[in-house]
Amino acid sequence: GENVGLHLPTLSVQEGDNSIINCAYSNSASDYFIWYKQESGKGPQFIIDIRSNMDKRQGQRVTVLLNKTVKHLSLQIAATQPGDSAVYFCAENMPGGSNYKLTFGKGTLLTVNP
Amino acid sequence: NAGVMQNPRHLVRRRGQEARLRCSPMKGHSHVYWYRQLPEEGLKFMVYLQKENIIDESGMPKERFSAEFPKEGPSILRIQQVVRGDSAAYFCASSPPAQGPYEQYFGPGTRLTVT
Repeated sequence: GENVGLHLPTLSVQEGDNSIINCAYSNSASDYFIWYKQESGKGPQFIIDIRSNMDKRQGQRVTVLLNKTVKHLSLQIAATQPGDSAVYFCAENMPGGSNYKLTFGKGTLLTVNP
Repeated sequence: NAGVMQNPRHLVRRRGQEARLRCSPMKGHSHVYWYRQLPEEGLKFMVYLQKENIIDESGMPKERFSAEFPKEGPSILRIQQVVRGDSAAYFCASSPPAQGPYEQYFGPGTRLTVT
């Protein structure tokens, strides 16, 4: 569920289940979104991206859904594996000159139980 | 093709000392970005550089922080007279000019601890 304050939202799933990680973004004008995975002690790793002219994009075992009406982004991971355990961040890019600046959400900690 | 390299991975400095963080972008990448991450938070944009040019430093504190990306060699993030509040993980990312600046590849980060 959602937490407030300094604690990350957490999601705990069983190995083999599907995971859904949610993200509410801030700017309705944002036109590009990325999901990153960050394992403990490592840098963020690109997972999948989506542009605002799409509402769904699929990769290998992952799907990103974009709902611009409610400014909501989700990452679906199929058949979750222990190696998927990490913190997942959504990032948005706001147009208007600085098309390189990514704004990151707080992140969600995914724990996969074997 | 090596990824984005950062060194040192861990850096301990006493208050008042200088910290120098280095970033070598991926081969063929000429755009470098620096981000700061506090515990249990997302990354915050600091600065965007191309070779020999600072494009956007709007996320960088006005004092004590500076960044450069010389024609030869790595990008350097420099923090002078460090304070405890500078303790954080600093990540560098790079992107290739051909694909545009959107897709950014991150290094492993430098974890700075100020004692």
